[in-house]
Amino acid sequence: RKEVEQDPGPFNVPEGATVAFNCTYSNSASQSFFWYRQDCRKEPKLLMSVYSSGNEDGRFTAQLNRASQYISLLIRDSKLSDSATYLCVVPRGSGNTGKLIFGQGTTLQVKP
Amino acid sequence: EAQVTQNPRYLITVTGKKLTVTCSQNMNHEYMSWYRQDPGLGLRQIYYSMNVEVTDKGDVPEGYKVSRKEKRNFPLILESPSPNQTSLYFCASTHSVVSGYTFGSGTRLTVV
Repeated sequence: RKEVEQDPGPFNVPEGATVAFNCTYSNSASQSFFWYRQDCRKEPKLLMSVYSSGNEDGRFTAQLNRASQYISLLIRDSKLSDSATYLCVVPRGSGNTGKLIFGQGTTLQVKP
Repeated sequence: EAQVTQNPRYLITVTGKKLTVTCSQNMNHEYMSWYRQDPGLGLRQIYYSMNVEVTDKGDVPEGYKVSRKEKRNFPLILESPSPNQTSLYFCASTHSVVSGYTFGSGTRLTVV
């Protein structure tokens, strides 16, 4: 299994749709996980952190399944401005060194 | 404004000519890190630092050096750049590994 694996997409959805991305990871010792958003040629920006079973922030919900070693990101009521690449990030080892592994990203395109 | 500042934003250089990309953060963060991003390969960690004078290799350290003499600065040094180091580089920092990193705006480097 790859250390961090994401479906690259692209996911093409209409405005208002609900879309979900999955990310699988191999490091069972990881305690915290992250979803970042990256717009074309720009820096990644932290979207959500996930420590326990999940986290919710407005239209965005992140869930963690430790037994199956995957995290998911759910976006409800998609907006045109949600179009971006979403990066799943997992610490390497126990996560106390700052060493991170980035997934290759899932591209979302929201259409009018 | 809390930020990570990288310079230069764009750089074209020739093979073998030593260069330094600077990175500075004004948030008093302990952890800092350098990444490169290439099409199809995603973001890969070059070096990271857990505090002043504490640095370690990431996944792709070959051809790069770093130093952390002060908390706020974490320069990336290419002693003898080669064309395969043409890439988009990001510096990032965080106060805690469970909080996620803040990224700089990126440096687009071309080595000819």
